[in-house]
Amino acid sequence: DSGVTQTPKHLITATGQRVTLRCSPRSGDLSVYWYQQSLDQGLQFLIQYYNGEERAKGNILERFSAQQFPDLHSELNLSSLELGDSALYFCASSFLDGKNTEAFFGQGTRLTVV
Amino acid sequence: QKEVEQDPGPLSVPEGAIVSLNCTYSNSAFQYFMWYRQYSRKGPELLMYTYSSGNKEDGRFTAQVDKSSKYISLFIRDSQPSDSATYLCAMSESNAGNMLTFGGGTRLMVKP
Repeated sequence: DSGVTQTPKHLITATGQRVTLRCSPRSGDLSVYWYQQSLDQGLQFLIQYYNGEERAKGNILERFSAQQFPDLHSELNLSSLELGDSALYFCASSFLDGKNTEAFFGQGTRLTVV
Repeated sequence: QKEVEQDPGPLSVPEGAIVSLNCTYSNSAFQYFMWYRQYSRKGPELLMYTYSSGNKEDGRFTAQVDKSSKYISLFIRDSQPSDSATYLCAMSESNAGNMLTFGGGTRLMVKP
């Protein structure tokens, strides 16, 4: 168990809908990262927050947004969902923001858009 | 062409074999190199973390980085059926924190 908790584990929703994925980082970790894993694209970095502030952005669609709250948990909001958004969404956390810090992944949320 | 290339496999070996997993990359700015293991439907688990070129050993696992060739390897000695999983290489630039760029993963099957 990495100590990173993601909820829900599974989510099935219809096209056009909006969902929220939740991540609780390991105790003491200040950085949260969101990744998307699909069969054709592999694991892709979406966005990073450090102590409540957005720190880095990757291949995140405009329909997606995230935030990190004062208690350091993070939420990833996906809206106007399309079939192609079906994927595993992982959250990772690390203590620091910079180099030489290890990131630990949660078990993921499997999103199915029908 | 992807920034990080990894043979998807599957790679099937008998129990006890030495396994060699590899990744090539194109971005010379990558400084930190990692190997993750991912069991089916689970989150990636960090196995090895190395900085720049050189070797690092941890139990049955050895990671090698050759920055001149843009090539990294993970060796698994005395492979076990429990090592059957997908192995993902990941890399990051020195100034980008933990924004990791992953390879597509190699599926390994160790047969008893």
